[in-house]
Amino acid sequence: EAGVAQSPRYKIIEKRQSVAFWCNPISGHATLYWYQQILGQGPKLLIQFQNNGVVDDSQLPKDRFSAERLKGVDSTLKIQPAKLEDSAVYLCASSPASGHNTEAFFGQGTRLTVV
Amino acid sequence: QQPVQSPQAVILREGEDAVINCSSSKALYSVHWYRQKHGEAPVFLMILLKGGEQKGHDKISASFNEKKQQSSLYLTASQLSYSGTYFCGTRGAGSYQLTFGKGTKLSVIP
Repeated sequence: EAGVAQSPRYKIIEKRQSVAFWCNPISGHATLYWYQQILGQGPKLLIQFQNNGVVDDSQLPKDRFSAERLKGVDSTLKIQPAKLEDSAVYLCASSPASGHNTEAFFGQGTRLTVV
Repeated sequence: QQPVQSPQAVILREGEDAVINCSSSKALYSVHWYRQKHGEAPVFLMILLKGGEQKGHDKISASFNEKKQQSSLYLTASQLSYSGTYFCGTRGAGSYQLTFGKGTKLSVIP
């Protein structure tokens, strides 16, 4: 079974530039998550999709971050404009359902450096 | 609400045991344990749902206390491969949001 695919693996941009990350979840997984992991900290949930609808985006900085999941499969996360504090690893995860007893499978992440 | 993990870091020699704790001020619906090696994705270890539950596989096990406010991860006879950062993720009742602690860095040395 193929895992969660993310691209690019690394990205370096200047502050105020825009950047987009792509995620392809495991086939058939209804739930997709985007997490931000700052160095030395645990992953922080940014947004959670159930199929192509948003379940939770309470911690997404909506003035600069946006995400979409067209057709309930692939997803993109965009930052516009980027700030220095956005430097982090952005992890995408998927699970078969959004219940309390489901495992989330993580991709390898995109490491973003804002200079 | 972010769970609190302790200790922040621990160094073990091969064969030694370790306990990692995860606590919340409110009762939880579930606790999820993950391990992340440097530069890699977090990998799922186990989920606990019921108060008083204990589960495990191989030499890694976990418990969830009766009040469902604390979970502990037990690593027995540690191996070099156990090195990494361990995260607990918690879900509150009525919430789908999985909130992670800051992690416990475990280093196993020969």
